[in-house]
Amino acid sequence: EDQVTQSPEALRLQEGESSSLNCSYTVSGLRGLFWYRQDPGKGPEFLFTLYSAGEEKEKERLKATLTKKESFLHITAPKPEDSATYLCAVQPFLNNNAGNMLTFGGGTRLMVKP
Amino acid sequence: DAMVIQNPRYQVTQFGKPVTLSCSQTLNHNVMYWYQQKSSQAPKLLFHYYDKDFNNEADTPDNFQSRRPNTSFCFLDIRSPGLGDAAMYLCATSRRTGGEVYNEQFFGPGTRLTVL
Repeated sequence: EDQVTQSPEALRLQEGESSSLNCSYTVSGLRGLFWYRQDPGKGPEFLFTLYSAGEEKEKERLKATLTKKESFLHITAPKPEDSATYLCAVQPFLNNNAGNMLTFGGGTRLMVKP
Repeated sequence: DAMVIQNPRYQVTQFGKPVTLSCSQTLNHNVMYWYQQKSSQAPKLLFHYYDKDFNNEADTPDNFQSRRPNTSFCFLDIRSPGLGDAAMYLCATSRRTGGEVYNEQFFGPGTRLTVL
């Protein structure tokens, strides 16, 4: 069974204090790892897809990296508007169980104080 | 802008009173999903449609049903809501491409369901 564990559950940062969020996973065969941002009371917003170990993607202050066992979401010089819950999800290669659906982690709630 | 729309954003129903949530999309994606998300938890997949093919997750209660009358619309029916069904219900879409690969999912804003 695919499993995704995100840590820490909650993270408080001062504005400008860089840090990283972790997503550890076990999956039968990884087709893709997805990062989403979710603001309170809203649906998740797609950020990145990573497909293979060593791959990196960046968007503004966010950079996502991938190894064979985990992914990191690095936040450089965060601002209060970066406060949100960040969700990680893995997608296996197609198996016989009707498709390759996402398995989500529990998320990291990030709070950035001015 | 292409998007996923959910209505209503907030729904209040009474214990046991049927309720229907709706989702529409302008992305022209061939896959639509329904998720349930409870407070501080990960989204839990209830079912998905690939075109008109319906796929139910093994642990989705029979109380939850879905309809997809056309490519753009999908409905979630909760036949007899219980207190434990109070949650955020998220609709998502994606494109299924060659080799039966489901690409990244795009979510709507969600419907928050309260059961009294």
